[in-house]
Amino acid sequence: GNSVTQMEGPVTLSEEAFLTINCTYTATGYPSLFWYVQYPGEGLQLLLKATKADDKGSNKGFEATYRKETTSFHLEKGSVQVSDSAVYFCALSDRDTNAGKSTFGDGTTLTVKP
Amino acid sequence: EAQVTQNPRYLITVTGKKLTVTCSQNMNHEYMSWYRQDPGLGLRQIYYSMNVEVTDKGDVPEGYKVSRKEKRNFPLILESPSPNQTSLYFCASSLLGEADTQYFGPGTRLTVL
Repeated sequence: GNSVTQMEGPVTLSEEAFLTINCTYTATGYPSLFWYVQYPGEGLQLLLKATKADDKGSNKGFEATYRKETTSFHLEKGSVQVSDSAVYFCALSDRDTNAGKSTFGDGTTLTVKP
Repeated sequence: EAQVTQNPRYLITVTGKKLTVTCSQNMNHEYMSWYRQDPGLGLRQIYYSMNVEVTDKGDVPEGYKVSRKEKRNFPLILESPSPNQTSLYFCASSLLGEADTQYFGPGTRLTVL
């Protein structure tokens, strides 16, 4: 079956530091890839997505590139802010044989200190 | 306002007492799904539905039932809850397509004693 492996957390950074959260996946088909963010006490919301190899998703200064050769979708931000403190989930949606199935990573908790 | 609503938001119950968590969306989405979130395990998919009267099992369907009689509603039913179903539950919906964003509800925190 499909799986998503995320960098273990928690991650603590100082404001303006560079952020990388690693995400690798295994999938039987050709999935779409997503990063979702969950702020305290809330549901998940989409941060960015990519549908095909070499696509780059970006939003709010965050970026991730769909790397089919390394089956990765690492999340990066050049300068984090305190307001970026949240839990980040990497996810994939299967579009082929298991259309409708979604697989999420375990989540990485990010804390940004002023 | 486009949204996914869940009720109740918090529920404490006892083992074996049937319960239903409702989920409703006002975006005319074909796809709806239920997840549970547990510490160290991330989000795991329980059931999903691609359209009215079409439902399929996710990765952890045991002990749960769902129905999709109307496009906007997708209730999650626990016929005989057990303590290992204590969790945070999220409902989500999306359009069907190549890379559709899922819109999540605010979550239901369930405790089974």
